[in-house]
Amino acid sequence: GAGVSQSPRYKVAKRGQDVALRCDPISGHVSLFWYQQALGQGPEFLTYFQNEAQLDKSGLPSDRFFAERPEGSVSTLKIQRTQQEDSAVYLCASSYGTGPGRPQHFGDGTRLSIL
Amino acid sequence: DAKTTQPNSMESNEEEPVHLPCNHSTISGTDYIHWYRQLPSQGPEYVIHGLTSNVNNRMASLAIAEDRKSSTLILHRATLRDAAVYYCILRDAGSARQLTFGSGTQLTVLP
Repeated sequence: GAGVSQSPRYKVAKRGQDVALRCDPISGHVSLFWYQQALGQGPEFLTYFQNEAQLDKSGLPSDRFFAERPEGSVSTLKIQRTQQEDSAVYLCASSYGTGPGRPQHFGDGTRLSIL
Repeated sequence: DAKTTQPNSMESNEEEPVHLPCNHSTISGTDYIHWYRQLPSQGPEYVIHGLTSNVNNRMASLAIAEDRKSSTLILHRATLRDAAVYYCILRDAGSARQLTFGSGTQLTVLP
């Protein structure tokens, strides 16, 4: 079946612009996660949704970062007034549940470059 | 969260077995051991997980030490497509839902 889909695959923006990154999770997956991956590092957690509820946003680096999942399926990560340090790959993952035996399924990410 | 330690890099020859080690000396009784891998320009991919017993699936085997302070991911016949960063991650049933990635092991497969 279809996996997690992220768009755009690549995004180039000028410093100060706002960007929006989209994630289409696997159908029926109630849990959705956003991660940020800097070059040469492992992914780092940003935020977590269960259905439409954002249950954890402790990893968001600043109030310029905002995520939503209004209907409990597609999610959007928005970054306002982008800065160069926001350049990274943004990964979305979904899972059927959050139990410790439930694997997360990742998209291939959006590579964001801020000029 | 309990921490894992992995070698930064390993090499293997194609069609030979690969043993990727992970140390987790502070593991708790409720921590599951998960392995993910990340191929170049792709998102992480689930490989296998276990709690106490050794596990096998179509991708790999997971050998867990009797004291659970270490584990080994075994690829039985490495192929060039197995070249990736392999992450060993502990997931506690009672705490955070997200995955906490370390820096992983970069596996190079030589033809």
